[in-house]
Amino acid sequence: EAGVAQSPRYKIIEKRQSVAFWCNPISGHATLYWYQQILGQGPKLLIQFQNNGVVDDSQLPKDRFSAERLKGVDSTLKIQPAKLEDSAVYLCASSLGSPGLTGELFFGEGSRLTVL
Amino acid sequence: KQEVTQIPAALSVPEGENLVLNCSFTDSAIYNLQWFRQDPGKGLTSLLLIQSSQREQTSGRLNASLDKSSGRSTLYIAASQPGDSATYLCAVPNYGGSQGNLIFGKGTKLSVKP
Repeated sequence: EAGVAQSPRYKIIEKRQSVAFWCNPISGHATLYWYQQILGQGPKLLIQFQNNGVVDDSQLPKDRFSAERLKGVDSTLKIQPAKLEDSAVYLCASSLGSPGLTGELFFGEGSRLTVL
Repeated sequence: KQEVTQIPAALSVPEGENLVLNCSFTDSAIYNLQWFRQDPGKGLTSLLLIQSSQREQTSGRLNASLDKSSGRSTLYIAASQPGDSATYLCAVPNYGGSQGNLIFGKGTKLSVKP
C-alpha cells in the first residue's frame, strides 16, 4: 500500500516570496491533516480536512497561509508571503477518520522549508 | 487545554540496554494514545496505538502502556540497538477539539551507542 506522498521535499526561498506544498494521502483516507513542525518541537496542527471540507483551521495563520483539498483527495498548502518564522517542516498526514474515533494517523516524509 | 510532556528530552544508552520513555498528558479524557518515531529529516512513523480501553500494546521489542487515570504512558524498548536511535514522540487526540486532532509532546531524542 502506498503511503502519504509529499512534494517538494526541500524548498529554500527568501522572505516575502511564496511557496506551495502538495500532498497525496493514502487511498481511501477521508481525513487529511497539515502539521507544522519547528525544529525541536512536536508537530502542531495547521488544518484538518474531512473529505474536501475544512474541519479545523483554528491554528492556521490565515493572513498568509491557505490550503485546499479539491475533490477530497490531493491537497495543497500555500504560504504567501513567507516570513522567517515559517521555516519548518510541513507534514501531511491522513487517516480513515478522525484520530479520536478510528485511530492511526499516517504521515508523509514532510517538506522542509527554509526562509532566508 | 490538553498538554503533552515527554521526559527525558534526550537519552543516551549503550547498545543492549532496556529503556523506558515517558509521556504524560493533562486531560485524562482521551480516546487513545499513539507513539511515533521520527528519524532525522524524515516524517513520523507510527509505532503503536493504544486505545483508551487497553492497558498496553506490544510490537516486537516495543511495549507501550497506558494509565489514563494518572495521565501517563510509557514506551519500553527492550535490548536497544543503534538502529533505534531516533526521536520518539507521543500524541493524544484533542478531546475538546473538532474531530480530535493530535496534540504532540516535544519528543525524546534517543541515541543508542554501539
